[in-house]
Amino acid sequence: DIQMTQSPSTLSASVGDRVTITCRASQTITSSLAWYQQRPGKAPNLLIYDASTLKRGVPSRFSGSGSGTEFTLTITSLQPDDFATYYCQHYTYYPYTFGQGTKLKLK
Amino acid sequence: QVQLQESGPGLVKPSETLSLTCTVSGGSISSSYWNWIRQSPGKGLEWIGYIYHTGSTVYNPSLKSRVTISVDTSKNQLFLKVTSVTAADTAVYYCATGGGFYSPSWFDPWGQGAQVTVSS
Repeated sequence: DIQMTQSPSTLSASVGDRVTITCRASQTITSSLAWYQQRPGKAPNLLIYDASTLKRGVPSRFSGSGSGTEFTLTITSLQPDDFATYYCQHYTYYPYTFGQGTKLKLK
Repeated sequence: QVQLQESGPGLVKPSETLSLTCTVSGGSISSSYWNWIRQSPGKGLEWIGYIYHTGSTVYNPSLKSRVTISVDTSKNQLFLKVTSVTAADTAVYYCATGGGFYSPSWFDPWGQGAQVTVSS
């Protein structure tokens, strides 16, 4: 199985900050990567797919980049709604696997 | 807009079978890939497997011997069965639509999730 490792596990930031979350794959996954946001008690919500394609309706302050084994999710000008947990997921081949999550906390 | 809703027993005894239903509304189950994913504090998010509307399935090898995913297209419902459950199967179970064309790829949308606890 491909292992997905996110860093950091926890990130403290303030409203208005710019933050970056990294996701590393244990082997190349080309651009077959998605990012999700999960709020407490809710299901994950797709933000980005194909490493950098923003899902329709997701604010443009979210962006994704990377290919191969290293990927980043960047959120510019953090809003109060953005404090949540973020997950990456590869879909290169089965089984699909997720990162362990990055919890974005209010400083 | 497609919406998914999981339902089923919230408590299952060890060694018994976990059975969940996902009801799809706002769209037809006779298209797309339909997935089950679970989330537990210990293992995080774990993809269980999918069924395509043709009936073809792919399962996570870690669960393959105990999992069955099926559909009833007449009722627009998706089903999950996990046999011989243990405490390690305690999790929130989600159904989700696959977004890809040749494979599920990413998951969107998701159901709200169903908490299942395995305990005697």
